[in-house]
Amino acid sequence: AQSVTQLGSHVSVSEGALVLLRCNYSSSVPPYLFWYVQYPNQGLQLLLKYTSAATLVKGINGFEAEFKKSETSFHLTKPSAHMSDAAEYFCAVSLQAGTALIFGKGTTLSVSS
Amino acid sequence: DAGVTQSPTHLIKTRGQQVTLRCSPKSGHDTVSWYQQALGQGPQFIFQYYEEEERQRGNFPDRFSGHQFPNYSSELNVNALWLGDSALYLCASSNLITGDPTGELFFGEGSRLTVL
Repeated sequence: AQSVTQLGSHVSVSEGALVLLRCNYSSSVPPYLFWYVQYPNQGLQLLLKYTSAATLVKGINGFEAEFKKSETSFHLTKPSAHMSDAAEYFCAVSLQAGTALIFGKGTTLSVSS
Repeated sequence: DAGVTQSPTHLIKTRGQQVTLRCSPKSGHDTVSWYQQALGQGPQFIFQYYEEEERQRGNFPDRFSGHQFPNYSSELNVNALWLGDSALYLCASSNLITGDPTGELFFGEGSRLTVL
């Protein structure tokens, strides 16, 4: 069965610092991988997705993620954090396009000035 | 272009009652999925509807049922509510056949259900 593990339920960084949010997945076949962001009292917004076209994926708001098959990881990074990046981030996986997404438990990102 | 819209945004029910939540998909989308997000947790897949039929179902009891209408909008019904059903219910739409082959989901802002 596929699953997603997000290491660290809470990450705190200073404004301008590197953001690194970790995601590991388990899957028997190459998966589709996604990162979503959720601001308070809102739905989920797609940051980026991996669909086997390229291992380094660039998303919105300066975020990017690298698919590493050998490590079964899809960590999310941003070179310089901004106050507006404070939110809940979810990693998700699906085995087939258009099928159910399996989400991790989420990581809360706090950004201090 | 209207995104995914859900109603109501908030509602309060008591144990044993029934609730209906509604969702209108993003324009051009034909597939609707429902997710339950408990406080402090990631969303959990309930089911997906396509062509007015349940296409895929997660690990939820039969108290959870749904429907998709010819205009692609959808309803989620939950019977015999209990405290554990309190959550944010998210609707997501996608285009299964002619759209993004990755099946990217577009989410609504959710309906927050509180069961007392």
